[in-house]
Amino acid sequence: GENVEQHPSTLSVQEGDSAVIKCTYSDSASNYFPWYKQELGKRPQLIIDIRSNVGEKKDQRIAVTLNKTAKHFSLHITETQPEDSAVYFCAAKGSNYKLTFGKGTLLTVNP
Amino acid sequence: DVKVTQSSRYLVKRTGEKVFLECVQDMDHENMFWYRQDPGLGLRLIYFSYDVKMKEKGDIPEGYSVSREKKERFSLILESASTNQTSMYLCASMTGLVYEQYFGPGTRLTVT
Repeated sequence: GENVEQHPSTLSVQEGDSAVIKCTYSDSASNYFPWYKQELGKRPQLIIDIRSNVGEKKDQRIAVTLNKTAKHFSLHITETQPEDSAVYFCAAKGSNYKLTFGKGTLLTVNP
Repeated sequence: DVKVTQSSRYLVKRTGEKVFLECVQDMDHENMFWYRQDPGLGLRLIYFSYDVKMKEKGDIPEGYSVSREKKERFSLILESASTNQTSMYLCASMTGLVYEQYFGPGTRLTVT
């Protein structure tokens, strides 16, 4: 089955700096790669996603890049703010509707 | 606005008890999912259902079963709860057209 590796497990940055979280996947048939943000005590929520026919997607301060050849994708957050502090999960979707999640990255933005 | 609700936020059960966790969504989504979330392990899929009465095993189905008698409701059943099933349980739903999964608030289950 699909295996998704996510790094780093924790990331601490200063407010205003950039943050990058990286994921690799194993199944070359995977075609959809979402990123979820989970604030403390809250449910995970989708923040951005990318499909396999696109290399990069941006939404204001967040962007996702996908390298299908290398089977890795990354989340980039620029000009980080304290409210960006949360756990971020990457995921990959294969040929059915099942998502396989990474283990998560705890991002802390220090004021 | 999609709404996914779960029957309890916190639940404490004894070892050996049968436990029912219920999830209800109000957006007529075909697909529903049950995950457990443990620190350092991320979200792991237990079971999912792509239609009424249809189910498929996820990555960690052992010790669990599910029921989907109506489209809006997906139940997770622990036949005989054990202490290693102490966890946060999250339900999610999704249409077949857009792959975004909408999560419920979670049920924190403690088995003593």
